[in-house]
Amino acid sequence: SQQGEEDPQALSIQEGENATMNCSYKTSINNLQWYRQNSGRGLVHLILIRSNEREKHSGRLRVTLDTSKKSSSLLITASRAADTASYFCAPGPYAGGTSYGKLTFGQGTILTVHP
Amino acid sequence: DTAVSQTPKYLVTQMGNDKSIKCEQNLGHDTMYWYKQDSKKFLKIMFSYNNKELIINETVPNRFSPKSPDKAHLNLHINSLELGDSAVYFCASSQGERGYEAELFFGEGSRLTVL
Repeated sequence: SQQGEEDPQALSIQEGENATMNCSYKTSINNLQWYRQNSGRGLVHLILIRSNEREKHSGRLRVTLDTSKKSSSLLITASRAADTASYFCAPGPYAGGTSYGKLTFGQGTILTVHP
Repeated sequence: DTAVSQTPKYLVTQMGNDKSIKCEQNLGHDTMYWYKQDSKKFLKIMFSYNNKELIINETVPNRFSPKSPDKAHLNLHINSLELGDSAVYFCASSQGERGYEAELFFGEGSRLTVL
């Protein structure tokens, strides 16, 4: 299995600013997912982008995927204090002949949004 | 209604003891998982069950034994606990057997502290 590597490890911004987090991975993927984890809570799914998509939007979230560079980015526009959380990417491996795939997560990016 | 619920939320125990964590999902999903999140926030898959059948078994000490009595429940039993087992254990579920293609729903986590 492969895990995504999020960058930066930590990001601190003011409310209203945009936050950009990056994810890199190593092998071919079927899709890539982004999750959020609030302190002391479980992960919550944000968005899934398929390998044949380049960009996807959901509310204030914008995700891009560049399979040639094996990278993805998550942009949160007009951030709010409530966006403070850790953000994880999870590359969904291209299974090929393998029966089962699995999602593996990295260390995440800790985003702090100051009011 | 909580979609994926784990008990207990906190567990403090001595080295050498045996403990169990229980997980239940009411989403009607086919697949359930156990993940371990360490102190650096890396989230690693341990096990996955699809319709009560073990389909993913990562390199985990055999002191860890999952059990799925039915597709809505997945328990984790840990024998002879060691200091390094201290972590937050997350249960998750998804629809379909290919976790990398589907959104994962996580429980709130069970924080295990081994003294």
